[in-house]
Amino acid sequence: DVKVTQSSRYLVKRTGEKVFLECVQDMDHENMFWYRQDPGLGLRLIYFSYDVKMKEKGDIPEGYSVSREKKERFSLILESASTNQTSMYLCASRGSPMAAVLTHLQTPNYGYTFGSGTRLTVV
Amino acid sequence: AQSVTQLGSHVSVSEGALVLLRCNYSSSVPPYLFWYVQYPNQGLQLLLKYTSAATLVKGINGFEAEFKKSETSFHLTKPSAHMSDAAEYFCGCLGGSEKLVFGKGTKLTVNP
Repeated sequence: DVKVTQSSRYLVKRTGEKVFLECVQDMDHENMFWYRQDPGLGLRLIYFSYDVKMKEKGDIPEGYSVSREKKERFSLILESASTNQTSMYLCASRGSPMAAVLTHLQTPNYGYTFGSGTRLTVV
Repeated sequence: AQSVTQLGSHVSVSEGALVLLRCNYSSSVPPYLFWYVQYPNQGLQLLLKYTSAATLVKGINGFEAEFKKSETSFHLTKPSAHMSDAAEYFCGCLGGSEKLVFGKGTKLTVNP
């Protein structure tokens, strides 16, 4: 089974701190994603990466940056944490479209796998 | 770009009753559609997916969903609700890009 591991389950940080949220996947997936989940707003895409050192902005990138130095690791960075960034952060990974087509019968979630989430509180 | 609308942020049913969670999508290309479930303090778990094969899709835990192109809908149903079905449910749409777009979620409450 594909595993997506988020390093911290709960984090409490102070306003203005630089915060790193780490995500590691073990299936050699090309695509990795960071979502933010808030009550009543669902999941919103912050950033995604389709290859090492490649990144694209999602729907709400402001206040965040990302780093993808190795294929298996995708880091979300809050340069200066603010209270409005208190949220649940979910990381996901997915193989390439061709790999997904070839393997979807074996991969029940069409290649998308989510981590368990990091609940970040900024005080 | 694709979008997803889930009608009803909260749905409440009695144990044993029909569960119906509504999802409508918008996509410029034929979409792939997903339903995920999230139990408290957990990540997202896939219930089922539509990937242009059969329009009626069966998933885990007795859930199923029907893709209706004419209605741009992908509603999730279960004939008989169980207490363990209480959770939040998210509909997702994958259009021409790599980005999976979600609805805002529907919280299901099951009353004894």
